[in-house]
Amino acid sequence: AQTVTQSQPEMSVQEAETVTLSCTYDTSESDYYLFWYKQPPSRQMILVIRQEAYKQQNATENRFSVNFQKAAKSFSLKISDSQLGDAAMYFCAYHTGNQFYFGTGTSLTVIP
Amino acid sequence: ETGVTQSPTHLIKTRGQQVTLRCSSQSGHNTVSWYQQALGQGPQFIFQYYREEENGRGNFPPRFSGLQFPNYSSELNVNALELDDSALYLCASSLDLALGETQYFGPGTRLLVL
Repeated sequence: AQTVTQSQPEMSVQEAETVTLSCTYDTSESDYYLFWYKQPPSRQMILVIRQEAYKQQNATENRFSVNFQKAAKSFSLKISDSQLGDAAMYFCAYHTGNQFYFGTGTSLTVIP
Repeated sequence: ETGVTQSPTHLIKTRGQQVTLRCSSQSGHNTVSWYQQALGQGPQFIFQYYREEENGRGNFPPRFSGLQFPNYSSELNVNALELDDSALYLCASSLDLALGETQYFGPGTRLLVL
């Protein structure tokens, strides 16, 4: 069975500091994508970053980067220079074939 | 460019009733996916529609059904509502069916079953 695990229900970070959110997944597939989505209190889910499984290079989008360890099935999100607007629920997600799996989320608080 | 919209925003039903939720996909998108998000949980994949055909389905019973129309808008129908169906229902559209295609989410419909 394919599952996505986020072991940190809540995290906090001081404004301008760096925080890392953890995600592990379980799969027997070789071809898949991994995503981090952000869901602010207004509820609309927004894509933060995505990673193709066949690419060894870690994806980066401005202040957001991932540490993709395929053998360990780990996909963590690093947020640098945290801003107040980064406060939200963050979901790790996995896509293979015609199936999508999301983790249970990490609630990130940014402290001014 | 119009984003993904969903209607209604909130809905209250009683156990045993039927409900229809609607989703308009982003302009140019031919693929729509539906998710159920219970309070405090991550979204659970219900099914996906591509060009009016169901393309994939999660672990949901047959009383969850859907439709996609020629304009690629979509409906989610739930029959014989149960208390556990209370959740936020999210619709997401994507440009195509390709693996890894970015999904654009709507604001969701909050369903409460009493």
